[in-house]
Amino acid sequence: GAVVSQHPSWVICKSGTSVKIECRSLDFQATTMFWYRQFPKQSLMLMATSNEGSKATYEQGVEKDKFLINHASLTLSTLTVTSAHPEDSSFYICSAPRTGGTGELFFGEGSRLTVL
Amino acid sequence: AQSVTQLGSHVSVSEGALVLLRCNYSSSVPPYLFWYVQYPNQGLQLLLKYTSAATLVKGINGFEAEFKKSETSFHLTKPSAHMSDAAEYFCAVSRYNNNDMRFGAGTRLTVKP
Repeated sequence: GAVVSQHPSWVICKSGTSVKIECRSLDFQATTMFWYRQFPKQSLMLMATSNEGSKATYEQGVEKDKFLINHASLTLSTLTVTSAHPEDSSFYICSAPRTGGTGELFFGEGSRLTVL
Repeated sequence: AQSVTQLGSHVSVSEGALVLLRCNYSSSVPPYLFWYVQYPNQGLQLLLKYTSAATLVKGINGFEAEFKKSETSFHLTKPSAHMSDAAEYFCAVSRYNNNDMRFGAGTRLTVKP
């Protein structure tokens, strides 16, 4: 079964509104989670690293004010796309690391955002 | 810095034929290597991983990969393709105690009946 859960799977919103995507680790704690963005037929691009109890670390070129990340607890990270525009439409995937230093990541099911 | 390169953005095989998806890595430290599979509109599922133990790694669904340090490769194979193997496959690299995973561009596998 899934060990990382994302919600919602699909979301459609109007331009200018904000959308929140949740990422939960199930049955394990994750002090760090990762948010990726995936364009059609392309690879995953790391957007930011979510850190429990501290600020997220953003990759170069990712707008911090556009993509707000909050790691409120050891099992929950949220990504809020603020003032969404059609170019923000994409597939967003979160992940959490497997414990034990293996470098392996568990991935959520992904969230498809469409901004009209 | 670590990176992976997947050779071939699209591979097409007939059902029952050998599947070979190529991945080469670059890493300044011993790498951990992974193959993930992605079905449409879904997240990534781990197929197999290499974390410095056996160089021949067996994964789920009949897939396996061999770590070859001399060739800096970690190619994914399956002896006999099945229609259900049609998906996008990603090679990825990270390292011990570092969750900064980097992905290849992906290879789309098509299986013809």
